[in-house]
Amino acid sequence: GDSVTQMEGPVTLSEEAFLTINCTYTATGYPSLFWYVQYPGEGLQLLLKATKADDKGSNKGFEATYRKETTSFHLEKGSVQVSDSAVYFCALGWRGNKLTFGGGTRVLVKP
Amino acid sequence: DAGVIQSPRHEVTEMGQEVTLRCKPISGHDYLFWYRQTMMRGLELLIYFNNNVPIDDSGMPEDRFSAKMPNASFSTLKIQPSEPRDSAVYFCASSPIGGSYNEQFFGPGTRLTVL
Repeated sequence: GDSVTQMEGPVTLSEEAFLTINCTYTATGYPSLFWYVQYPGEGLQLLLKATKADDKGSNKGFEATYRKETTSFHLEKGSVQVSDSAVYFCALGWRGNKLTFGGGTRVLVKP
Repeated sequence: DAGVIQSPRHEVTEMGQEVTLRCKPISGHDYLFWYRQTMMRGLELLIYFNNNVPIDDSGMPEDRFSAKMPNASFSTLKIQPSEPRDSAVYFCASSPIGGSYNEQFFGPGTRLTVL
């Protein structure tokens, strides 16, 4: 079955540092890939998405590229802010069906 | 537009009591999902509906849990009887059909504490 593996946290960074969160998936075929973010005390919200191989999703300075060769969808941001402190979830999904989430990675950005 | 609405936001109850969590999806969305989030187990999909019909309830932990969707604008998740290990944050999410992907929109969650 489908599965998503992402690096365990917490990841602790200083403000303006570079952030990378690794995500790899296992699936038959080419699903759509997502990054969701959960701020403290809130529900998950979509951060970015990619629907086919080599697509790059981007939003709020975050980027991730759908790499079918390595079955990966790593999340990156060049300069993090304290406000980026949150839990980040990688997920895959098929049209009209449920999402499979990774375990989440907690990111803490210190001033 | 209003997002997914969940009530109550916080619920504290005693072991053995019945608990009912409520969700109003975004108007026009065809899919509704119930999740549970705990530190130990992370985010778990409990059940999801398509056009008010349950599609997959394999994530429902046991018979104490039940979910209904009587119409397109309302769903409930019931726990009877509740146990301390049910303490968690429960999320409802909805999703539109169509397109080549399925983006889910999450509610703010209900934090359940069973004493």
